[in-house]
Amino acid sequence: AQSVTQPDIHITVSEGASLELRCNYSYGATPYLFWYVQSPGQGLQLLLKYFSGDTLVQGIKGFEAEFKRSQSSFNLRKPSVHWSDAAEYFCAVGGRGNTPLVFGKGTRLSVIA
Amino acid sequence: GAGVSQSPSNKVTEKGKDVELRCDPISGHTALYWYRQSLGQGLEFLIYFQGNSAPDKSGLPSDRFSAERTGGSVSTLTIQRTQQEDSAVYLCASSLVSLYEQYFGPGTRLTVT
Repeated sequence: AQSVTQPDIHITVSEGASLELRCNYSYGATPYLFWYVQSPGQGLQLLLKYFSGDTLVQGIKGFEAEFKRSQSSFNLRKPSVHWSDAAEYFCAVGGRGNTPLVFGKGTRLSVIA
Repeated sequence: GAGVSQSPSNKVTEKGKDVELRCDPISGHTALYWYRQSLGQGLEFLIYFQGNSAPDKSGLPSDRFSAERTGGSVSTLTIQRTQQEDSAVYLCASSLVSLYEQYFGPGTRLTVT
């Protein structure tokens, strides 16, 4: 069965500190992986995606993620967090074609001064 | 360009009433998805349209839920005889046939009293 696990429900980091949000997936075929961000009262915005090729992908807002097939992981990173990064982050996996995405339950990021 | 739009943004209804939620996808996007986001539950897939047909309705939680799409564009999600457990944010997303990333609307917050 397809599934996505985000082990951290809530993470608090200091502004300027580095960030890593964990994501593990289970998928029977070649996975297409995504990270979305949701600010309060807003829809989901795509941060970055991995389809194939280079396993380190760059996204918007200074985020990057690394696909590790051996670990079934797709962790999101940012070297220096800004207060505006406080939001909910969702990892998702999909397959070939326009198939529905399977989402993790999300990680809420709080940023403190 | 214009993104995915949803209406209404908020809907409060009494238990037992029917509601209709509307989604306008990005122009030219042939795939359209409905998801439900409940507190602490992440995003749950409901139904997917390719053009006007729905090849995957597996996520609809009961026969009280239905959806249609006309003209390959606007979609309506209808919930009949609403129950309190239907309270959630209903998100719509669209994507191009040849691409895999889904673009989300701001959602409709449904509250059943």
